[in-house]
Amino acid sequence: AQSVTQPDIHITVSEGASLELRCNYSYGATPYLFWYVQSPGQGLQLLLKYFSGDTLVQGIKGFEAEFKRSQSSFNLRKPSVHWSDAAEYFCAVGARGNQFYFGTGTSLTVIP
Amino acid sequence: DAGVIQSPRHEVTEMGQEVTLRCKPISGHNSLFWYRQTMMRGLELLIYFNNNVPIDDSGMPEDRFSAKMPNASFSTLKIQPSEPRDSAVYFCASSPPIYGEETQYFGPGTRLLVL
Repeated sequence: AQSVTQPDIHITVSEGASLELRCNYSYGATPYLFWYVQSPGQGLQLLLKYFSGDTLVQGIKGFEAEFKRSQSSFNLRKPSVHWSDAAEYFCAVGARGNQFYFGTGTSLTVIP
Repeated sequence: DAGVIQSPRHEVTEMGQEVTLRCKPISGHNSLFWYRQTMMRGLELLIYFNNNVPIDDSGMPEDRFSAKMPNASFSTLKIQPSEPRDSAVYFCASSPPIYGEETQYFGPGTRLLVL
């Protein structure tokens, strides 16, 4: 069965520090992978996506993610976090036919 | 380009009342999804449509919930009668007809409170 695991419920980092949010998936075929960000009271905004090709994908707001098939992972990274990055982050795996499976989310707090 | 539009943005109603949530997908998108988000259960897919046809409604919690998509530019999610446990944020998302690169784009959500 398809599933997504985000092991970290909550992460706190200092502004300017690097960030890595973990995502592991279970999927029988080649997955489509996504990261979304949700600010308080807002909808989900697409950060980046992976369908095929280069396993390191660049997204908006300076984020990147790397697909590692051997580890079934799609971790999100940012070299220097800004206070405005504080939000909830969701990893998702997509199946053909459009059905998505979302992780439970990681809440990011940024300390000034 | 306009994104996914949802209305109302906030809804407060009393138990037993009918609630109708509305969604206008991005023009040209042919798939539409309704999600519910709560603290306890996270994001749950309720139902999705492809070319206006419901494909999977297995996430609809019970018969009190119904969804329609009468045309490519409009969908409704109806709860009748509403109950306090239906309080949640309801998101609509749409996806373009690009096989192999399906991506969902979310609306701002409707925050529903049932008293």
